Amino acid sequence: AQSVSQHNHHVILSEAASLELGCNYSYGGTVNLFWYVQYPGQHLQLLLKYFSGDPLVKGIKGFEAEFIKSKFSFNLRKPSVQWSDTAEYFCAVSLTGGYNKLIFGAGTRLAVHP
Amino acid sequence: GAVVSQHPSRVICKSGTSVKIECRSLDFQATTMFWYRQFPKQSLMLMATSNEGSKATYEQGVEKDKFLINHASLTLSTLTVTSAHPEDSSFYICSGATARQETQYFGPGTRLLVL
Repeated sequence: AQSVSQHNHHVILSEAASLELGCNYSYGGTVNLFWYVQYPGQHLQLLLKYFSGDPLVKGIKGFEAEFIKSKFSFNLRKPSVQWSDTAEYFCAVSLTGGYNKLIFGAGTRLAVHP
Repeated sequence: GAVVSQHPSRVICKSGTSVKIECRSLDFQATTMFWYRQFPKQSLMLMATSNEGSKATYEQGVEKDKFLINHASLTLSTLTVTSAHPEDSSFYICSGATARQETQYFGPGTRLLVL
């Protein structure tokens, strides 16, 4: 069965620090990859997505992610975090075609201190 | 981006009663809608997928008679938790996707508490 692993369950950073959140998936076929963010008390929002093409994807709010097919990874990065980035981040995978079923990782809770 | 709403945002009910949760796509037609359940400090678990006008497809382990899903139009899907019990207390989230896109847009969720 397909699965998604997020290595860090809880990350604490100071403002201006760089961020990298790991995400690995297990599936041998072609996938679509997503990062969603859930700010406290708010609903899931799409940060960025990868379907095909350039494996380095830029999203909203200065986030980017790199798809490395050989490593089955789709790590999320931001060079300099802000206090407002405090949120929970979910990596998700869907199989291409089909009916878009999303498989989520367990999430990473990021706390950014001023 | 596309907007999805859910109603109610929070509901408290007595054990044994049924609760209906609505999910609406406000500015797009959602050919497919998904229902998820999120336990505290855990990820989203897909419960079922529904296509407009068709019966929902339930994930393994999800009781279709307990969680009734209706997707009668391209902008509305409902989840009814029948004969709710305290273990059904959770955060229920819906999402919608169009036929042309492979991106899901999520609602704000409904927190259900069964006493």
